[in-house]
Amino acid sequence: EAGVAQSPRYKIIEKRQSVAFWCNPISGHATLYWYQQILGQGPKLLIQFQNNGVVDDSQLPKDRFSAERLKGVDSTLKIQPAKLEDSAVYLCASNQDGSTDTQYFGPGTRLTVL
Amino acid sequence: GEDVEQSLFLSVREGDSSVINCTYTDSSSTYLYWYKQEPGAGLQLLTYIFSNMDMKQDQRLTVLLNKKDKHLSLRIADTQTGDSAIYFCAESGSGGYNKLIFGAGTRLAVHP
Repeated sequence: EAGVAQSPRYKIIEKRQSVAFWCNPISGHATLYWYQQILGQGPKLLIQFQNNGVVDDSQLPKDRFSAERLKGVDSTLKIQPAKLEDSAVYLCASNQDGSTDTQYFGPGTRLTVL
Repeated sequence: GEDVEQSLFLSVREGDSSVINCTYTDSSSTYLYWYKQEPGAGLQLLTYIFSNMDMKQDQRLTVLLNKKDKHLSLRIADTQTGDSAIYFCAESGSGGYNKLIFGAGTRLAVHP
């Protein structure tokens, strides 16, 4: 079974530029999560989708971050414009139905904002 | 609020047991998890425990849960160099959609 796929693996941009990350969850998984992991910290949930609807985006900085999952499968996370403090690893995870089922994580995208 | 605390660093000798501790605040958490993260990799689920259990054993891993004190521990028996990684404790936050609250992670260093 293929795992959660993310791209790109690494991205370096300058502040005020835009960037987008892509995630393809495990086939059949209805729930998709985006986490932000700042160096030295644990992952923090940014947004959670159930199919193509948002169920929790309470910690998403909506003035600059946006995410979509239009067909209920893959998802993109965008930052526009980026700030220095956005430097982090962005992790995507998925599980079957968003209950207590195990979340499976992708390898992450490491973003460096200069 | 929801919070998970872990010690940041643990060093053990190869072959010894490692014990990584964690405290959490949300008494309504249904499950508590241990994830492992190796350099440059995503998080790998190691094990989890249901909140009505005290202990769970899975090969070299033993999880102990003290729900009264909101304390969780992970014991790794016969620690190997391949166990060197960052270990994250996580609780399932309140609400119905399995939002995970992670600690900052404990870096385990295994030396010969």
